[in-house]
Amino acid sequence: AQSVAQPEDQVNVAEGNPLTVKCTYSVSGNPYLFWYVQYPNRGLQFLLKYITGDNLVKGSYGFEAEFNKSQTSFHLKKPSALVSDSALYFCAGTSGTYKYIFGTGTRLKVLA
Amino acid sequence: GAVVSQHPSWVICKSGTSVKIECRSLDFQATTMFWYRQFPKQSLMLMATSNEGSKATYEQGVEKDKFLINHASLTLSTLTVTSAHPEDSSFYICSARGWTEGGGTDTQYFGPGTRLTVL
Repeated sequence: AQSVAQPEDQVNVAEGNPLTVKCTYSVSGNPYLFWYVQYPNRGLQFLLKYITGDNLVKGSYGFEAEFNKSQTSFHLKKPSALVSDSALYFCAGTSGTYKYIFGTGTRLKVLA
Repeated sequence: GAVVSQHPSWVICKSGTSVKIECRSLDFQATTMFWYRQFPKQSLMLMATSNEGSKATYEQGVEKDKFLINHASLTLSTLTVTSAHPEDSSFYICSARGWTEGGGTDTQYFGPGTRLTVL
């Protein structure tokens, strides 16, 4: 069965420090991978995606993610965290059928 | 670009009544729309997928007679919760997929969600 895993329920990081939110996938074929962010009582905002090409993908708000095929990972990163980055982050994957498989979400808390 | 709106943003209704939620793609044509349900502190659960002009495809366990989905145009889909009960209270989120300059055809863009409370 296909799946997307976010192993950490919550990640705490100090403002100004680099952050990483982890995601691993098990998707058949060539995976399409996405990161979204959700603020309280809001829908999901698209951050970035990997379809093909460079393994390092740059997205909105200074976020980037690295596709690692051998480790089946697609971790979200940012060099310097802001308090305003505190939110719920979802990783999603699909094999191209347009039906997303979502991870369970990781709550990021950036401490001032 | 790639904005999806939902209306209403929140609704409170009495048990037994029906509620309609609208989802619109504002600046692109949505060939496919998705409806999700999100429980507190949980991930999104896909309820159904709809293509413009076709009947929706429901996920296993989702009652199609209770959650009526209409996708009559390339910019509008509606979800009607019929004879709502307290257990239907939830956060409903739609998403739309269609060609956009920034996202191609692969990306889903999400609406802001509708909080439904059934008394």
